Amino acid sequence: GENVEQHPSTLSVQEGDSAVIKCTYSDSASNYFPWYKQELGKGPQLIIDIRSNVGEKKDQRIAVTLNKTAKHFSLHITETQPEDSAVYFCAAGRTNAGGTSYGKLTFGQGTILTVHP
Amino acid sequence: DSGVTQTPKHLITATGQRVTLRCSPRSGDLSVYWYQQSLDQGLQFLIQYYNGEERAKGNILERFSAQQFPDLHSELNLSSLELGDSALYFCASSVEGLNYNEQFFGPGTRLTVL
Repeated sequence: GENVEQHPSTLSVQEGDSAVIKCTYSDSASNYFPWYKQELGKGPQLIIDIRSNVGEKKDQRIAVTLNKTAKHFSLHITETQPEDSAVYFCAAGRTNAGGTSYGKLTFGQGTILTVHP
Repeated sequence: DSGVTQTPKHLITATGQRVTLRCSPRSGDLSVYWYQQSLDQGLQFLIQYYNGEERAKGNILERFSAQQFPDLHSELNLSSLELGDSALYFCASSVEGLNYNEQFFGPGTRLTVL
């Protein structure tokens, strides 16, 4: 089955710095890669995702890159703010051309991001 | 707020007991997924239902079962509970189609088995 490795497990940055979280996956059939942010006491919140037909996607201060050949994808957060502090999860999943999912997302172990004011 | 609701928020019970967790998906979503989150195992996929039918199964124990009802809400039943079943249980939902596989998570049910 799919295996997703996520690094680092903890990341501490100063406000205004950039943060990068990296993930690798094992199943070459995976074609959907979302990132989730989980705040204390809450469920994971989808913040950005990328599909295998693109290499990069950006949404304001957040960007995700995908290298299908190397089977890795990364989350980049620029100009970090204290409210970015949370646990971030990468995940990998499969969908068919019509958009029907094959069910599960396989998640990385998570990165605890702390942004110091 | 994702639009996915889960009840109860907290559940405390004893070993050997049985509990039922409930999930209501976002309006219009046909798929429901159940995940277990524990400190040592992370977020693990348990099972998916699509429009009332089981679609995919993950690392779900035989003591656990789920179903999705005609109104699309879902229930996860956990029986013969063990201490190790203590975890956060999340439900997620998605609409199949062009926005494939974007899963939106509920707030979770925290299960404590004593």
